Amino acid sequence: QQQVKQSPQSLIVQKGGISIINCAYENTAFDYFPWYQQFPGKGPALLIAIRPDVSEKKEGRFTISFNKSAKQFSLHIMDSQPGDSATYFCAASSGGGADGLTFGKGTHLIIQP
Amino acid sequence: NAGVTQTPKFQVLKTGQSMTLQCAQDMNHEYMSWYRQDPGMGLRLIHYSVGAGITDQGEVPNGYNVSRSTTEDFPLRLLSAAPSQTSVYFCASREMFSTDTQYFGPGTRLTVL
Repeated sequence: QQQVKQSPQSLIVQKGGISIINCAYENTAFDYFPWYQQFPGKGPALLIAIRPDVSEKKEGRFTISFNKSAKQFSLHIMDSQPGDSATYFCAASSGGGADGLTFGKGTHLIIQP
Repeated sequence: NAGVTQTPKFQVLKTGQSMTLQCAQDMNHEYMSWYRQDPGMGLRLIHYSVGAGITDQGEVPNGYNVSRSTTEDFPLRLLSAAPSQTSVYFCASREMFSTDTQYFGPGTRLTVL
């Protein structure tokens, strides 16, 4: 049973465009929603995260939008750059995360110059 | 400060062989975990530990053993490797009561023939 569904699987965006990746979750106990960025041959690295008490969080060109009633959250990358080409994972955890993160299946993002 | 280190980086095993994947962190983090990453599957939690002497199972624990004798080290053991365990393995650590930043190691790519 997949608790975090991520879409799309792959995404191609032109340089300067907006990249949007969506995730939906089922477990209403989830209270922490991070996004990880992974480059080939490297481990995932935390990009940005949100908790359900806010509907949006912005850090530079990266924004998380969170819709608690719909149980959905999304990552927006503004002014996408070729250096943003990577695999992005959404994740979720609950109760302080003692039992780990539940990850989506990932989105392979390509930014075309 | 090396962060989270993993050895080896690559490993090829034959079915039935055993091996230990090493993981160490120098950030004095209480919480450590192991994930496996398979194409199109995201990352799935194998085992985790909330401190020395305490371990617990994650989503996919079968075929793997762990122990935590020190805060710094969290080895993952494959007692009898199977082709289904071919994967990339990531170790991660964070402070126990903070979900904000989980640090991942660079990964071990394991192939079981």
